[in-house]
Amino acid sequence: GAGVSQSPSNKVTEKGKDVELRCDPISGHTALYWYRQSLGQGLEFLIYFQGNSAPDKSGLPSDRFSAERTGGSVSTLTIQRTQQEDSAVYLCASSSDSGVRAQHFGDGTRLSIL
Amino acid sequence: TQLLEQSPQFLSIQEGENLTVYCNSSSVFSSLQWYRQEPGEGPVLLVTVVTGGEVKKLKRLTFQFGDARKDSSLHITAAQPGDTGLYLCAGALSGNTGKLIFGQGTTLQVKP
Repeated sequence: GAGVSQSPSNKVTEKGKDVELRCDPISGHTALYWYRQSLGQGLEFLIYFQGNSAPDKSGLPSDRFSAERTGGSVSTLTIQRTQQEDSAVYLCASSSDSGVRAQHFGDGTRLSIL
Repeated sequence: TQLLEQSPQFLSIQEGENLTVYCNSSSVFSSLQWYRQEPGEGPVLLVTVVTGGEVKKLKRLTFQFGDARKDSSLHITAAQPGDTGLYLCAGALSGNTGKLIFGQGTTLQVKP
């Protein structure tokens, strides 16, 4: 498809397990962003990749969170030793690196930690 | 800490009424975007405003960027049930980065 694709759409796991969330950005978009959203709330910035530059990790809430972007395209967000407070919708967005850089979002992964 | 205050957080109105949502900050933004999000989906861009004082219209929606580029408003005329959703403002800080600061969102419910 032409849009941002995220998988899985839903993930239920037990506290303490590791999870990997995947994002396929729009082809040609050099910028990729991860956000976290609690129910009905705004978006909390997590991490930002721009081309070959070092990622901006300033929003990652703890060292249990990490993200990679391979080949300038697909990205994975990994949460180790999940906690109940990690339950949220994780959204990925991509944008071009010129102009006003409108962000195009995927539909998110709803993560539930039991 | 850069912060974008959005108000009101929740709004429930009758079809046909008008409403305004506000975003305010002490920071200056190079641009400001408004998104609308429906349950189970990602936010979708409505508009981007770039110039201080700029006004953009999208059918019944009017967006304004403050003269000092620190605030913005979204006005909806004659709201329809289809306008129901979560509205998010997001500001881009200067410095040639695509990173956005999002407001807390306004949940709008338009009752028929």
